[in-house]
Amino acid sequence: AQSVAQPEDQVNVAEGNPLTVKCTYSVSGNPYLFWYVQYPNRGLQFLLKYITGDNLVKGSYGFEAEFNKSQTSFHLKKPSALVSDSALYFCAVREARANNLFFGTGTRLTVIP
Amino acid sequence: DAGVIQSPRHEVTEMGQEVTLRCKPISGHDYLFWYRQTMMRGLELLIYFNNNVPIDDSGMPEDRFSAKMPNASFSTLKIQPSEPRDSAVYFCASSVGLAGVKQYFGPGTRLTVT
Repeated sequence: AQSVAQPEDQVNVAEGNPLTVKCTYSVSGNPYLFWYVQYPNRGLQFLLKYITGDNLVKGSYGFEAEFNKSQTSFHLKKPSALVSDSALYFCAVREARANNLFFGTGTRLTVIP
Repeated sequence: DAGVIQSPRHEVTEMGQEVTLRCKPISGHDYLFWYRQTMMRGLELLIYFNNNVPIDDSGMPEDRFSAKMPNASFSTLKIQPSEPRDSAVYFCASSVGLAGVKQYFGPGTRLTVT
């Protein structure tokens, strides 16, 4: 069975500081991992994905994520947070041979000026 | 490209009424997904289609919900009769392929059932 966990409902960070949004997953095979962002009253927007290859994945708006197989984690990071990064972030996982994409419950990121 | 289009953006209806949500996927995309987002349950996949054929509807909460895709450019999600607990934001998404590809989400329909 597939599952994904985002242990933090809320993350606050000061503008200019590095940010991390955590995600752990559980699949029985090779995972496909995704990060999406949702701004108020908008649909989800794709940020980045890990399929295979380099464990460090770079995505949109300066975000990156590191795939850690031993810790079954795929944490989202950014070296320097912007106020405009404030949004709801979703981690998602799909087992390579499965059909469904499972989303985490989301983490609300607030960047404080 | 206009992206995934959903209508209406907001719907307020009374309990017992029929509600129809509409989605136009991105042209050329062969997969279409319907999701529901609530505070309590987060984002849930309801059903998805491949080439207009429903593939997995195990997420549809009950028989009051039905979805159709009569052609590659149009899908509907219908709730009949609607109940207050159906209040949520319903998203449509589309993609080219399934595994390992990103989905493009529409802006969502905010449904309120009173």
